[in-house]
Amino acid sequence: NAGVTQTPKFQVLKTGQSMTLQCAQDMNHEYMSWYRQDPGMGLRLIHYSVGAGITDQGEVPNGYNVSRSTTEDFPLRLLSAAPSQTSVYFCASRRDRGHYGYTFGSGTRLTVV
Amino acid sequence: DAKTTQPNSMESNEEEPVHLPCNHSTISGTDYIHWYRQLPSQGPEYVIHGLTSNVNNRMASLAIAEDRKSSTLILHRATLRDAAVYYCILSSQGAQKLVFGQGTRLTINP
Repeated sequence: NAGVTQTPKFQVLKTGQSMTLQCAQDMNHEYMSWYRQDPGMGLRLIHYSVGAGITDQGEVPNGYNVSRSTTEDFPLRLLSAAPSQTSVYFCASRRDRGHYGYTFGSGTRLTVV
Repeated sequence: DAKTTQPNSMESNEEEPVHLPCNHSTISGTDYIHWYRQLPSQGPEYVIHGLTSNVNNRMASLAIAEDRKSSTLILHRATLRDAAVYYCILSSQGAQKLVFGQGTRLTINP
């Protein structure tokens, strides 16, 4: 199993540009989440989803959009990049039944100049 | 979401046991105690979780106080690879999200 795959690993954007961070999991997990981690800080939840077609906002949703058209994919869209969105972005997933830990991707390091 | 309190940093020596504390005085009856760790330049990694009883797995042990207001993650014999930030997180059963705090940065001396 590949687990949680995030692409790209690194990206540099200019202010105002838009882009989509990709997240895919092959474990048939219902729950998926996006986090951002600023230097020296803990992770903050951006958006999350409990299944295809269902998404909700986390702590810091402004400037980001998500959709969940399939169980496998949960892309994160930056609408108009700002320097404050420079961060490392992590995607995570877990099963919806029982009580299991989340599996995290290896992250996307985004710099907005 | 109930909050947790952890020391900002701890230091230990290689091959010695490490006890990482976590206070969660406002824990509810349905909250599970989760521990994750984040190695340098990597995503977080699930370590262990428990509800009331102490738990053991291949990575660590989790000791939960009788009143559940605190818990301790125990690494029985630390290695240099265990140097990481350790996060203690409360999560209700079927929780749809995790809320991270600042965690404890663990340094292991050779």
